[in-house]
Amino acid sequence: QVQLVDSGGGLVKPGGSLRLSCAASGFTFSDYYMAWIRQAPGKGLEWVSYISSSAINLHYADSVKGRFTISRDNANNSLYLQMDSLRTEDTAVYYCARAELSGTYALDYWGQGTVVTVS
Amino acid sequence: QSALTQPASVSGSPGQSITISCTGTSSDVGGYNYVSWYQQHPGKVPKLMIYGVSNRPSGVSNRFSGSKSGNTASLTISGLQAEDEADYYCTSYTTSSTYVLFGGGTRLTVL
Repeated sequence: QVQLVDSGGGLVKPGGSLRLSCAASGFTFSDYYMAWIRQAPGKGLEWVSYISSSAINLHYADSVKGRFTISRDNANNSLYLQMDSLRTEDTAVYYCARAELSGTYALDYWGQGTVVTVS
Repeated sequence: QSALTQPASVSGSPGQSITISCTGTSSDVGGYNYVSWYQQHPGKVPKLMIYGVSNRPSGVSNRFSGSKSGNTASLTISGLQAEDEADYYCTSYTTSSTYVLFGGGTRLTVL
C-alpha cells in the first residue's frame, strides 16, 4: 500500500536550517509529482512546494521562495525539503504528499507530518 | 495572492445537506477544473475528498459531491453524519506565481 513517512523536524533557532525527508513506498515514486504542505499551530493548510516527477519543474510558495529548496531522489524513493534562513513563522507541521496522476494538482496520499519549531 | 475564500463555519443536523463554498477568481477556480477538497479531523492528516472539481477518489462516500459555477466551487455533503464533523479545505491551481492556493478552511459542525 502507498506509504509516505516524513522525518527531520525539530527545534531550530531563527536563521537556522533543517532538512526534511519523506520516504515513499508502495508505488512507482518516479511517476509522480510530489509536494510539501504545512500547517501552523491552530491554522489552515498552506502549500509550500511542488516538484515534478523528473525534478525538472520546481514551484514554491512566495513565503518560502529563495529560502527553501525541494528535491527528490527517485533511485531511493525519497523527497526532501531543505529549509534555510528559518523564521518563527515557519513553525508548523510539514506534510509530504503525492499528487494524483491525472494532473489536477490534487494530493491523494499524505505523510503523517513532521513538526518544525523555530524559536 | 490571497487564499481562496471559504466560510469560517457551517453547521447542519444529521441527515441534512450542507454546502461549503470556495470563491476565487478567473485566474484560479474560475479558469481551470483543478479544484480539490480535503477533510481534516482534529489532529489527523488531511484526506482528499474531491479532485478535478467533481471527481471522488475511490473509497470516498457518494454523499460528498463537488461542483463549480463561475469563480465559486462548492462541496456538498448530503445525509450528514456525526463523523463528517471536521475542517474542510479547498485548493486550486492558480496562474499566479503562487501556483497552488488553499482556502482558509471551513469548520463543519454536526448539531
